[in-house]
Amino acid sequence: AQSVSQHNHHVILSEAASLELGCNYSYGGTVNLFWYVQYPGQHLQLLLKYFSGDPLVKGIKGFEAEFIKSKFSFNLRKPSVQWSDTAEYFCAVITGNQFYFGTGTSLTVIP
Amino acid sequence: DTAVSQTPKYLVTQMGNDKSIKCEQNLGHDTMYWYKQDSKKFLKIMFSYNNKELIINETVPNRFSPKSPDKAHLNLHINSLELGDSAVYFCASSQTSGGYNEQFFGPGTRLTVL
Repeated sequence: AQSVSQHNHHVILSEAASLELGCNYSYGGTVNLFWYVQYPGQHLQLLLKYFSGDPLVKGIKGFEAEFIKSKFSFNLRKPSVQWSDTAEYFCAVITGNQFYFGTGTSLTVIP
Repeated sequence: DTAVSQTPKYLVTQMGNDKSIKCEQNLGHDTMYWYKQDSKKFLKIMFSYNNKELIINETVPNRFSPKSPDKAHLNLHINSLELGDSAVYFCASSQTSGGYNEQFFGPGTRLTVL
């Protein structure tokens, strides 16, 4: 079975700090990769996605992610976080019709 | 306009009861999904329907039965509710099945079984 690992379960940062959240997957074939964000009490929203092409993808709200095929990774980054970035972040990998979400990383940004 | 809507938002019920959660999308998408998010925020796909046909049925107890009267609706019926069914259930939709499509999520239904 495929798996998606998010090793950072809970991250606490001060405003303006840089963020990097890890995401690794186990599937060796063609994958489509997503990062979703879930703000407190809200539904999941798409931050960014990678299908092909430039492995560095930019999403909404200043987020970006880099696909490194050799490392089976798709880490999420933001150079300077804000208090409003406090949320749960989910990495997702899709192969064919199979969907796999990571266990999520809870980010708390302290003003 | 709400793209993916779910009712009810909260559902509190006793063990052994039967309940349904409704989902509707107005995006014209062909594929709809149900996910279960447990207390640890782990998100797991339960079902996927493409044009009213089931295309994914993960290891879910047969007490859970999805019903899709048309491609804009995917309802989830749960029989004989158990304590372990307590979770947040999210409906989602995408334009078609397969990985090239962003999924749009509903607001979730928080189910509490007492």
